[in-house]
Amino acid sequence: DIVMTQTPLSSHVSLGQPASISCRSSQSLIHSDGNRYLTWLHQRPGQPPRLLIYKISIRFPGVPDRFSAFGAETDFTLKISRVEAEDAGVYYCMQTTQFPWTFGQGTRLEIK
Amino acid sequence: QEQVVESGGGVVQPGRSLRLSCAVSGFSLNSYSMHWVRQAPGKGLEWVAAVWYDGSKKYYVDSVKGRFTISRDNSKNTVYLQMNSLRAEDTAVYYCGRDPGEAYYYMDVWGKGTTVTVSS
Repeated sequence: DIVMTQTPLSSHVSLGQPASISCRSSQSLIHSDGNRYLTWLHQRPGQPPRLLIYKISIRFPGVPDRFSAFGAETDFTLKISRVEAEDAGVYYCMQTTQFPWTFGQGTRLEIK
Repeated sequence: QEQVVESGGGVVQPGRSLRLSCAVSGFSLNSYSMHWVRQAPGKGLEWVAAVWYDGSKKYYVDSVKGRFTISRDNSKNTVYLQMNSLRAEDTAVYYCGRDPGEAYYYMDVWGKGTTVTVSS
């Protein structure tokens, strides 16, 4: 199974400041179709996860453009340019290249 | 409005069975693969199972293989997760999610979840 490792596991960021979360996969996420399937999700307390980014860097419709992501091979990053209060919660990376799909441990983002 | 609604959770004794349902509306189920993801209390997310849009392929995480079965009835717009031989470690909120499939492979519509508690 592909192991996904996120850092940091917790982050405190002031309102309006940038935030960054890293995710590393234990092996390449290249699919037989040539794509790399890495998604980012956000979960607020008591709510289901919400899709933010798919295929490493494509923002899902409706996701604010302060969210961006990039990466290659086994290292991936989610960036928030200026955090807002609603960005608090837990962020997960997830590889969907190979079954079983696997998540990172989650990064808790708290807004100061 | 596209949505999925899970049901069927509850409290069950170890070794017993439970069947979860995921009813979809606002979109055609037969165009999407569907997944179950769970979250144990206070823990992270764990992918559990997937079924292809036409039911032709099914995948499971190792910890549930041989105990859980995912299925779908496109005519009823419903996906199921039959859970047998339940264990304490299966206690979690179970989410159902939609996946557009090939060339996408993500879950874009999630339900609110249904809670399964395995306890004697």
